[in-house]
Amino acid sequence: EAGVAQSPRYKIIEKRQSVAFWCNPISGHATLYWYQQILGQGPKLLIQFQNNGVVDDSQLPKDRFSAERLKGVDSTLKIQPAKLEDSAVYLCASSLDRGQGGSRFTEAFFGQGTRLTVV
Amino acid sequence: SQQGEEDPQALSIQEGENATMNCSYKTSINNLQWYRQNSGRGLVHLILIRSNEREKHSGRLRVTLDTSKKSSSLLITASRAADTASYFCATYMTTDSWGKLQFGAGTQVVVTP
Repeated sequence: EAGVAQSPRYKIIEKRQSVAFWCNPISGHATLYWYQQILGQGPKLLIQFQNNGVVDDSQLPKDRFSAERLKGVDSTLKIQPAKLEDSAVYLCASSLDRGQGGSRFTEAFFGQGTRLTVV
Repeated sequence: SQQGEEDPQALSIQEGENATMNCSYKTSINNLQWYRQNSGRGLVHLILIRSNEREKHSGRLRVTLDTSKKSSSLLITASRAADTASYFCATYMTTDSWGKLQFGAGTQVVVTP
C-alpha cells in the first residue's frame, strides 16, 4: 500500500514570508496528524483531524498557523508569517481508527517530512 | 508539553551489545508505542503495548510496561550498526470518540561496529 506522501521535502524562506505544506495520507485513514519536530527534540502535535474535523489544535499557534483537511483526505498546513523559530521538520501522519473504544488504534504511519528553514 | 520522557538522552554501544532505554509518562494511557527515526527520515512504528499488557516481544525488541509506575522500557538485543537511530516512546490516550498520540524527547542510539 502507498505510504503517507508529503511535499515539498525541503523549503527555505525568509522570515515574514508564507509557506504551505501538503500531505496525502494513506487511503482510508480517518485520523491525520501534523507534528512539528525541532532539531534534537521529539515530535510536537500541532493539529489532529478526525475525518475532516479538527479534534485537537491546542498547540497550534493560531495567529500564524492554519490547517485544513479537504473532504477528509488531503491536508495542508500553512504558516503566515513565518518566524525564525518555525525552522523545523513538519511531519504528517495518519492512522486507521476502526470505531469506538481505545482498542481501535493500531499505529501511526509517517511521511518523510518537510524540512523548513526560515532565514 | 510532551507526555513522555526518555532516559537516557543518548546511548553509545558496540555491535552485539544490548541497548535499553526507558520512558516515563504522566497520565493514564490506552497504549504505549515505540518508534524509530533514522536521520532525516520519518518515524517508523516498532511495537505497541496495550495498558493491560506487561511485556511484548517482536524480533530483537522487548518492551515492558508498568502502568503503576507509568513507565516503559525498550530493549534491543544483539544490536547492529543498522540500529543506529533515535527512538521515541509515544503514549496514546483516548476520549469517548478520539485519541491523542504524544511523543517523548527521544533517545539517540549509536551502534559502532
